[in-house]
Amino acid sequence: SQKIEQNSEALNIQEGKTATLTCNYTNYSPAYLQWYRQDPGRGPVFLLLIRENEKEKRKERLKVTFDTTLKQSLFHITASQPADSATYLCALESGYSTLTFGKGTMLLVSP
Amino acid sequence: NAGVTQTPKFRVLKTGQSMTLLCAQDMNHEYMYWYRQDPGMGLRLIHYSVGEGTTAKGEVPDGYNVSRLKKQNFLLGLESAAPSQTSVYFCASSYSRWLGNYEQYFGPGTRLTVT
Repeated sequence: SQKIEQNSEALNIQEGKTATLTCNYTNYSPAYLQWYRQDPGRGPVFLLLIRENEKEKRKERLKVTFDTTLKQSLFHITASQPADSATYLCALESGYSTLTFGKGTMLLVSP
Repeated sequence: NAGVTQTPKFRVLKTGQSMTLLCAQDMNHEYMYWYRQDPGMGLRLIHYSVGEGTTAKGEVPDGYNVSRLKKQNFLLGLESAAPSQTSVYFCASSYSRWLGNYEQYFGPGTRLTVT
């Protein structure tokens, strides 16, 4: 089964800087990879999807890269704001329309 | 649209009691999922359904049963609750993969404590 690794330690950055979160996986490369945001006490919310044949995807201040050789995805938030503070989950296709989620990385953006 | 709703929001059970968690979606999604989320474990798939009347096991199905009698509803049952089932349960739904849209929409969660 797919194993996903995300930094378990919280990432602390200052407002205005770029936050970079890492998602590493083992075994097979999935057809696509997704990133979700989760706020305390709430369900995850979809942010971005990137397919195996795409190197990079952007949406406003968000950018995701997908390197199938390194088996790694990087998630960037540019010009970060305190409102970006949350836990970010990486999820990989793991079967017929199912996802395997990483444990998530908490991002704290200080003013 | 209400999106994905879950009932109840909180529940406390005694060991051995049974209960049913209800998930409803109004987006006409084909697929529905039940996850549990525990500290340090992340989201784990319990059961899922790719259409009305069909269900399949996920990563951690033991101790749970599910039913999808109507397209908009997905029920998760605990027949005999155990303290190990103390968790936050999330329901999610998505369109069919044949539509090329794979994102999942999550409900607000049900916090279950088994004493």
